[in-house]
Amino acid sequence: QSALTQPPSASGSPGQSVTISCTGTSSDVGAYNYVSWYQQHPGKAPKLMIYEVRKRPSGVPDRFSGSKSGNTASLIVSGLQPEDEADYYCSSYPWVFGGGTKLTVL
Amino acid sequence: QVQLQESGPGLVKPSETLSLTCTVSGGSISRYYWSWIRQPPGKGLEWIGYIYYSGSTNYNPSLKSRVTMSVDTSKNHFSLRLSSVTAADTAVYYCARVGTHIGMVMYYFDYWGQGTLVTVSS
Repeated sequence: QSALTQPPSASGSPGQSVTISCTGTSSDVGAYNYVSWYQQHPGKAPKLMIYEVRKRPSGVPDRFSGSKSGNTASLIVSGLQPEDEADYYCSSYPWVFGGGTKLTVL
Repeated sequence: QVQLQESGPGLVKPSETLSLTCTVSGGSISRYYWSWIRQPPGKGLEWIGYIYYSGSTNYNPSLKSRVTMSVDTSKNHFSLRLSSVTAADTAVYYCARVGTHIGMVMYYFDYWGQGTLVTVSS
């Protein structure tokens, strides 16, 4: 199982929108709608932000949204807030993670 | 609110066996899948495997020969054993609940423990 490909870093100013990509293959991301996204602040456990490509768990702000096209999934963070600065990981069937993207709020 | 708490030794000698337990509170371990995930210092996440409350398991192929998971529904906890450890197994180990729908795995983790650092060193 190869890791999914994410950009190592992304950034945006408060109030802006930023998109983080997650590229896999037709055997993982492209195969099923089982893409999830996790937010991890330093020294903390990951937190589920998006599951099944675009569903949001209760309590996650609607500024966070997800999409998928072919073998690439995306996490969109709209109206950036300072507390959104964190590492973000994607995950897909069958149990593979991306390498993580460090999101900086300028 | 479901809570998970990892416990076990923070230091393991090379070639020995790493043993961790995850205690679930605020909900039953039954009818869910439960997983272990690890994160080496400064690196990304790696799925280790999962166990169903019935005891059925599925392990990461790269670790399969060294991993054993078990569950104790009477104590509402599940456990991980990783044998023949090396420095490469040094990581923060997380336990997590797997999204489950009518007995089916849904390939996401909705509740996580705080994680426990395990260092492999003599």
